[in-house]
Amino acid sequence: DAGITQSPRYKITETGRQVTLMCHQTWSHSYMFWYRQDLGHGLRLIYYSAAADITDKGEVPDGYVVSRSKTENFPLTLESATRSQTSVYFCATGGLAGADEQYFGPGTRLTVT
Amino acid sequence: GEDVEQSLFLSVREGDSSVINCTYTDSSSTYLYWYKQEPGAGLQLLTYIFSNMDMKQDQRLTVLLNKKDKHLSLRIADTQTGDSAIYFCAEIDSNYQLIWGAGTKLIIKP
Repeated sequence: DAGITQSPRYKITETGRQVTLMCHQTWSHSYMFWYRQDLGHGLRLIYYSAAADITDKGEVPDGYVVSRSKTENFPLTLESATRSQTSVYFCATGGLAGADEQYFGPGTRLTVT
Repeated sequence: GEDVEQSLFLSVREGDSSVINCTYTDSSSTYLYWYKQEPGAGLQLLTYIFSNMDMKQDQRLTVLLNKKDKHLSLRIADTQTGDSAIYFCAEIDSNYQLIWGAGTKLIIKP
């Protein structure tokens, strides 16, 4: 039982290219999240989804697109990658309110050259 | 908007207690969290405290909450090398989103 997986784990791409980061969960949690982690900024929410076909913007959504056609998958697409999008991206699942824990994937380290 | 602040680094000697501090701005937060991130891994929930509590203890971990000063702390007793990690403070905002601090890197000296 893998829980939550992300692929690829590492990616190098060029400015202007489209990149899709995959996130897959086996728990059937309703909520899924995409964060980026940058030194000195901690975690910043990009997008989240409350259920299949329901997505909403987080703190830093510009330049990113998400979809959630199935409960278990939540891909994040950088439509035209920029150097400022070089970061570590974490997908998470779980609850939104109360003491519900968020479960994090191992992260994808993306470098845009 | 809401903000959560933490020091970026803390260095302690092995065996001593570590105290990681966090301040937050949203007085309506119902839950406050501590997450731990080990090198090369995602975050894992370490502990949490409900806003009507002042203290929560779980083995070597003690969480103290001062609602008046909007100050949260995590004390790790008898710090071990395995405690080396980045510790994130987070609060729930009025939209039920987690607001994260920047993380405190705990460095253990032998």
